[in-house]
Amino acid sequence: DAGVIQSPRHEVTEMGQEVTLRCKPISGHNSLFWYRQTMMRGLELLIYFNNNVPIDDSGMPEDRFSAKMPNASFSTLKIQPSEPRDSAVYFCASSLRDRRQPQHFGDGTRLSIL
Amino acid sequence: AQKITQTQPGMFVQEKEAVTLDCTYDTSDPSYGLFWYKQPSSGEMIFLIYQGSYDQQNATEGRYSLNFQKARKSANLVISASQLGDSAMYFCAIFRGSQGNLIFGKGTKLSVKP
Repeated sequence: DAGVIQSPRHEVTEMGQEVTLRCKPISGHNSLFWYRQTMMRGLELLIYFNNNVPIDDSGMPEDRFSAKMPNASFSTLKIQPSEPRDSAVYFCASSLRDRRQPQHFGDGTRLSIL
Repeated sequence: AQKITQTQPGMFVQEKEAVTLDCTYDTSDPSYGLFWYKQPSSGEMIFLIYQGSYDQQNATEGRYSLNFQKARKSANLVISASQLGDSAMYFCAIFRGSQGNLIFGKGTKLSVKP
């Protein structure tokens, strides 16, 4: 079975540019999560969706960040304009909305803003 | 609010020995779930084991077992017969049932020595 698929795996861009990260969740999963991981702050939840609807975006750092889930099989996380402090690994995860079900993570996007 | 505490930033263990990674949690929810994830140096997040708050028995998955002490609010991961491939970061997480997402601890870096 295909796992959570993220693209790109690596992204290097200059500050001020728009960055778009993409995620395809596991088919049948109804919850999708975006995380950011840095050495300083660890693993932080940015936003998550249930049935394509954003439930909690309190972790989104600021208005430069936005996330969408137009359908059950695709989500994007955008940063515009990007800044060097946005450099991190961004993970997408999906699960069934059940407390007993684990979240399955994608391989992450390693983002470097120069 | 839910909270996860992992007090061991780093641990060393000799190959073939057992090791316990500590995790304590704080929650006001009567029903919750606890998860452990492994993150090797390659970066992916791998689900290891789950414990439900009402489960009568401690969870086990192969060489992984969970020492769940509900009254003490601890959910320690025990890895038996450590292997070199167990060297990784290990994260404990609690399921936030009222919202549907996970809260992660800061992680413990395990190094297995030959």
